[in-house]
Amino acid sequence: DGGITQSPKYLFRKEGQNVTLSCEQNLNHDAMYWYRQDPGQGLRLIYYSQIVNDFQKGDIAEGYSVSREKKESFPLTVTSAQKNPTAFYLCASSTRTAPGEKLFFGSGTQLSVL
Amino acid sequence: GENVEQHPSTLSVQEGDSAVIKCTYSDSASNYFPWYKQELGKGPQLIIDIRSNVGEKKDQRIAVTLNKTAKHFSLHITETQPEDSAVYFCAARDDKIIFGKGTRLHILP
Repeated sequence: DGGITQSPKYLFRKEGQNVTLSCEQNLNHDAMYWYRQDPGQGLRLIYYSQIVNDFQKGDIAEGYSVSREKKESFPLTVTSAQKNPTAFYLCASSTRTAPGEKLFFGSGTQLSVL
Repeated sequence: GENVEQHPSTLSVQEGDSAVIKCTYSDSASNYFPWYKQELGKGPQLIIDIRSNVGEKKDQRIAVTLNKTAKHFSLHITETQPEDSAVYFCAARDDKIIFGKGTRLHILP
């Protein structure tokens, strides 16, 4: 079955630690996105990529980094510079290069700080 | 930039009744308006979307209406069922997509 796989489902970060969230898709989609979701809030865009080896900052990119070395993969690193990392992180992909159109989401990773 | 307001934040309706969720947007250049449904512990799923050149779109029990003059759009769910219980997000897009804060819909037995 085609889809988007995020791992791990739950992740804990210690003070000063970098952690990486995995996102893999087998939908052959060109565009991939990372969103952050806080309780009672809408989804906020962290980074997006419309093509391999290219990505752009979203609205809240500070303290995060990404790479897009393969079409199928778009990992997100939460660095120690992100002072409030506790949130639900969602990866999405789309066939459309028009921003945010017809997004397919993964099941998310809940990141918590120890 | 674009700002999307969504109301209500929580909605409870009796099973079989209709539910309406409303959103307003600020940027008149926005041209694409999707609605997503998010079940507990899962990612959002696109349920319907509408473009600015269309006033209404229906898909079985779900419909979306768009009023460009007033800059608001609404999601209508008829004959609600228990599986409709979820959080619903609206969004609007000009050069980037902005999401509303969500509506938690409870379907009461």
